Amino acid sequence: EAQVTQNPRYLITVTGKKLTVTCSQNMNHEYMSWYRQDPGLGLRQIYYSMNVEVTDKGDVPEGYKVSRKEKRNFPLILESPSPNQTSLYFCASRDSYNEQFFGPGTRLTVL
Amino acid sequence: EDKVVQSPLSLVVHEGDTVTLNCSYEVTNFRSLLWYKQEKKAPTFLFMLTSSGIEKKSGRLSSILDKKELFSILNITATQTGDSAVYLCATIIQGAQKLVFGQGTRLTINP
Repeated sequence: EAQVTQNPRYLITVTGKKLTVTCSQNMNHEYMSWYRQDPGLGLRQIYYSMNVEVTDKGDVPEGYKVSRKEKRNFPLILESPSPNQTSLYFCASRDSYNEQFFGPGTRLTVL
Repeated sequence: EDKVVQSPLSLVVHEGDTVTLNCSYEVTNFRSLLWYKQEKKAPTFLFMLTSSGIEKKSGRLSSILDKKELFSILNITATQTGDSAVYLCATIIQGAQKLVFGQGTRLTINP
């Protein structure tokens, strides 16, 4: 089954404790992205990647890092999480001309 | 700054009504416009529109793009309670492969 998976689905952590949210897709898609979704602000792109080792900033990249060492994986790293990064995070992938598939989401709370 | 604006932000109608959701955009290097439906989970794809004036249909849902006036509409006829969701509009930026989302329209269908 074609899908995008994210882990963990829920995470509660404390300020400053590094964390990684993993994302994997099995569709051989070139493009992958990370979004955060906040009430009243909609979905905002954090980072995107056009292929292995090619990443670029979206609209809200501050406080986040990504890497794309393999085509299928695109982890999101928060080196020093802060409470304003409490949000619902979605990973997504697509190829050049088709719709974007979203992962199930990761609800992160930073205390 | 690239911008996508949806209206209305919230809409409550009765089952059986027809609704029209609006999405206007101001983006550089527009490539395509996407519509998504989001219930209590990840957004699911509805339509991708690239050419002006060509209606896309899927059951009771249809959508069309006007590239001259920079907007798209999503129509839902004979609404059902299962149509209750947040409807998201997004544009794909040519070359950069960025997606810019609108704030979403929260549609509630009352029985």
